[in-house]
Amino acid sequence: EIVLTQSPGTLSLSPGERATLSCRASQSVSSSYLAWYQQKPGQAPRLLIYGASSRATGIPDRFSGSGSGTDFTLTISRLEPEDCAVYYCQQYGSSLPWTFGQGTKVEIK
Amino acid sequence: EVQLVESGGGLVQPGGSLRLSCAASGFIFNNYWMHWVRQGPGKGLVWVSRINSDGSSTNYADSVKGRFTISRDNAKNTLYLQMNSLRAEDTAVYYCVRVLGGSSSISPLGYWGQGTLVTVSS
Repeated sequence: EIVLTQSPGTLSLSPGERATLSCRASQSVSSSYLAWYQQKPGQAPRLLIYGASSRATGIPDRFSGSGSGTDFTLTISRLEPEDCAVYYCQQYGSSLPWTFGQGTKVEIK
Repeated sequence: EVQLVESGGGLVQPGGSLRLSCAASGFIFNNYWMHWVRQGPGKGLVWVSRINSDGSSTNYADSVKGRFTISRDNAKNTLYLQMNSLRAEDTAVYYCVRVLGGSSSISPLGYWGQGTLVTVSS
């Protein structure tokens, strides 16, 4: 099983600041089958990024993903108040089970 | 518009059974792999199970293998999760999820239902 470890646990930043979220895998994620999801309180998760760096339909370009192998990053270039949420990384390669990181909570000061 | 509406959750005693349903609309249901993902109260996301487009291939997390069964009725555009021998640790919101791309088993979780709450308690 591929274990995904996200850091930090909580990120507290002001509007307009840059947020950098990390996701580290216990073994290489094949072909960058790494996705990021956003979950706001009381809502279902929403796909943000897939293939490590491709934005899903309708996702603002302030969200970007990068990385390969075992180290991946989600960057929010200029935080907006509506970006307050928990962000999860997930690997969806050929290796089962599919696994999620434990989440990073982004708070807006 | 893709819509996934779960139902069937509720309170059940340990050892009991429950069947979740997910009514799909807005897309050609029999073209897509489908998944169940759960989230315990205040906890993170956990993948539970998946099924291919024609129902001939299924996979499960070790924690539910032998107790849960995923299935689908493509004529009714409906996904199911039969849950037997339920335990307290199965308490969670269960999400029905469609993959982003259709025919490949390797596709991210593109569309999520709003979830249905299952509570296992005496």
